[in-house]
Amino acid sequence: DSGVTQTPKHLITATGQRVTLRCSPRSGDLSVYWYQQSLDQGLQFLIQYYNGEERAKGNILERFSAQQFPDLHSELNLSSLELGDSALYFCASSPQGFLQETQYFGPGTRLLVL
Amino acid sequence: GNSVTQMEGPVTLSEEAFLTINCTYTATGYPSLFWYVQYPGEGLQLLLKATKADDKGSNKGFEATYRKETTSFHLEKGSVQVSDSAVYFCALGGTGGFKTIFGAGTRLFVKA
Repeated sequence: DSGVTQTPKHLITATGQRVTLRCSPRSGDLSVYWYQQSLDQGLQFLIQYYNGEERAKGNILERFSAQQFPDLHSELNLSSLELGDSALYFCASSPQGFLQETQYFGPGTRLLVL
Repeated sequence: GNSVTQMEGPVTLSEEAFLTINCTYTATGYPSLFWYVQYPGEGLQLLLKATKADDKGSNKGFEATYRKETTSFHLEKGSVQVSDSAVYFCALGGTGGFKTIFGAGTRLFVKA
């Protein structure tokens, strides 16, 4: 158990809908990362937050947005969903957000868009 | 730009065989290098890491040495077990740019 929690575990929705994925980092970690894992694209970095502020942005679509709240939990919002958004979404956390640090991954949210 | 290339899988081995999964990287500066493992149905977890040239990371019988001269960080294990069946990701971080770069992953199957 990494100490990172993600909810929900599974999500099934329809095209055009909007969903919110939630992540709670390990106790004491200030930085949160979001990744998308799909069969054809591998593990893609989406976005990183540190203590409530966006620190780095990767291959995140404009239909996707995220935020980190004062209690350090984070939410990833996916809107106007398309079939191709079906994937595993992982959240990870690290103490200070330095890239030399180990990232601790949650169990993931499996999203299926029908 | 920065990149990580690891050998394509799947790799299928018999129990107690020797394992090597190759990983090479391109990076500016002095990145840290990582191997993460993903067991079926789970998230990634750190297997080992090395933060500077010639460092050797080791854990659970796995080893990898940070070779700056060959820009490599190959993963090795002397005797694999069925329980090592998983996907292994090589990654680099801490260099120019602000994102960790993951390789495509190598799936390992170990047969009893």
